[in-house]
Amino acid sequence: GNSVTQMEGPVTLSEEAFLTINCTYTATGYPSLFWYVQYPGEGLQLLLKATKADDKGSNKGFEATYRKETTSFHLEKGSVQVSDSAVYFCALSDIQGAQKLVFGQGTRLTINP
Amino acid sequence: DAGVIQSPRHEVTEMGQEVTLRCKPISGHNSLFWYRQTMMRGLELLIYFNNNVPIDDSGMPEDRFSAKMPNASFSTLKIQPSEPRDSAVYFCASRAREARGETQYFGPGTRLLVL
Repeated sequence: GNSVTQMEGPVTLSEEAFLTINCTYTATGYPSLFWYVQYPGEGLQLLLKATKADDKGSNKGFEATYRKETTSFHLEKGSVQVSDSAVYFCALSDIQGAQKLVFGQGTRLTINP
Repeated sequence: DAGVIQSPRHEVTEMGQEVTLRCKPISGHNSLFWYRQTMMRGLELLIYFNNNVPIDDSGMPEDRFSAKMPNASFSTLKIQPSEPRDSAVYFCASRAREARGETQYFGPGTRLLVL
């Protein structure tokens, strides 16, 4: 079945550091891939997405590239801020799974000033 | 748009009581999802609806849980009787249409504590 595996957290970085959160997936067909972010006490918000191989999603300085050959969708940001502290979820949506979202376990990111 | 609206935002109840969680999806969206989030199990899909019809309820933990969507603008998730292990944050999400790349929009959640 479909599954998503994320880098285990928590991840703690200093402000302006480079961020990578790894995400790999297993899916039948051609999934769409998503990164959602959850700030403390809030619901999940879409951060970025990519719907086909080699697409790059980007938003708020974050980027992720859909790599079909490595079944990966790693999240990157060149210079993180304290306000980026949150939990990040990688997810996929596949027609084989009736277009439900399958989430990874989440990665908690803390940025220190 | 107001986004997905959930009520109540917080609920504290005693074991054995009935709990009803409410959700108003974004206007015009035709898919609605209920999720549960706990530290131990992460984010779990409980049930989802397309055009007010339940499509997949395989994630509903047991018969104590039930969900309804009487119209396109309202859904409820009911737990009867509630148990301490039901304590979690319950999220509702909606989606504009049933398509692979469509975004789900989440509500702020209901934080449930069963004593």
